[in-house]
Amino acid sequence: DAGVTQSPTHLIKTRGQQVTLRCSPKSGHDTVSWYQQALGQGPQFIFQYYEEEERQRGNFPDRFSGHQFPNYSSELNVNALLLGDSALYLCASSFALGAATNEKLFFGSGTQLSVL
Amino acid sequence: ELKVEQNPLFLSMQEGKNYTIYCNYSTTSDRLYWYRQDPGKSLESLFVLLSNGAVKQEGRLMASLDTKARLSTLHITAAVHDLSATYFCAVDINNDMRFGAGTRLTVKP
Repeated sequence: DAGVTQSPTHLIKTRGQQVTLRCSPKSGHDTVSWYQQALGQGPQFIFQYYEEEERQRGNFPDRFSGHQFPNYSSELNVNALLLGDSALYLCASSFALGAATNEKLFFGSGTQLSVL
Repeated sequence: ELKVEQNPLFLSMQEGKNYTIYCNYSTTSDRLYWYRQDPGKSLESLFVLLSNGAVKQEGRLMASLDTKARLSTLHITAAVHDLSATYFCAVDINNDMRFGAGTRLTVKP
């Protein structure tokens, strides 16, 4: 049983560019959350997708957007990249139990984004 | 705004010793999580605590939750080198999971 898979594993972009990161949830999971983890810090919640809609959003600008597909996979898009967007981007999946969608999160290995 | 504070942020222990990591949070929640992260790796779920007084144990780690005090603890018993990692607590408020800054644990022989 494959766990949460993310692609690519590493990415280098320049300021102003746009990037798309991808995530496939663990089998049987229907909820995907995205986190940004700067070096030496805890993950910061970006947003969560459930039933192809953004269910909850953290304190991130509109440059960060996402999508969830009918097969529950998800994409994170970041436009107009800034140097400060350099971080490890983690995807986590879970199975929704009514309103509670964070019973147990399974994290992917992440995408390390470097913005030059 | 929800704040999650862990202490200590850095912890160096001798093998065989006991110690406790503390996680305080500022807003009412009855969902608290502990994760482990090894260098360069992703997060591994350790415990999910869903009610006041919840206590869970696995191996040398035991986690507890006091929702009235807004405090969770992660107790390490007889530490071994393999426990060296960064430990995060996280609190769920309406599906917005907020993480602490992490406690970087080093266990020395």
